[in-house]
Amino acid sequence: SQTIHQWPATLVQPVGSPLSLECTVEGTSNPNLYWYRQAAGRGLQLLFYSVGIGQISSEVPQNLSASRPQDRQFILSSKKLLLSDSGFYLCACQEGTDDSPLHFGNGTRLTVT
Amino acid sequence: AQSVTQLGSHVSVSEGALVLLRCNYSSSVPPYLFWYVQYPNQGLQLLLKYTTGATLVKGINGFEAEFKKSETSFHLTKPSAHMSDAAEYFCAVTSDNTDKLIFGTGTRLQVFP
Repeated sequence: SQTIHQWPATLVQPVGSPLSLECTVEGTSNPNLYWYRQAAGRGLQLLFYSVGIGQISSEVPQNLSASRPQDRQFILSSKKLLLSDSGFYLCACQEGTDDSPLHFGNGTRLTVT
Repeated sequence: AQSVTQLGSHVSVSEGALVLLRCNYSSSVPPYLFWYVQYPNQGLQLLLKYTTGATLVKGINGFEAEFKKSETSFHLTKPSAHMSDAAEYFCAVTSDNTDKLIFGTGTRLQVFP
């Protein structure tokens, strides 16, 4: 079965600093990978998804970016964090077909001060 | 474009009472529907899913949901609430012609003794 590793679990960063959140997946090959952000009271917002190495689709314009340098590695980055980037970031993995469920990591809680 | 609406951001029930969490979807193609549960500071766990076949789907922890095409609904129910059911619940939709899973804004379930 799939295991999703996300780190760090919590992060406090000042406004204007860079960001790098990493997600790695075990137990599957060529998965679809997702980054979601969960802000308080606002549900889950899809940020990026990837169907393969180097293939990234962005859902909303923002100062975040994503990269997939390896099949089972998905990285969320920012050059300069904004206060509004605070939230709970979740990485998710999906095997193969569109009717397969997503498996989620435990998330990273980011506070931008 | 697909979308999901969860009516009621907060639902409160007494222990032993019926749980009903509402989800309506919009999709121009046959949907795949999911319910996820999130406990505090954790990622999401799959409760159940509907893809094809039987419209009444049974999931973990005694939950079930019924796909009603005529009502474009996929409400989540449990006959008798338990204190451990207190969590946030998310409905989600996808289909064959997209790589994305779209989530509703979530419903926080509180269970009182």
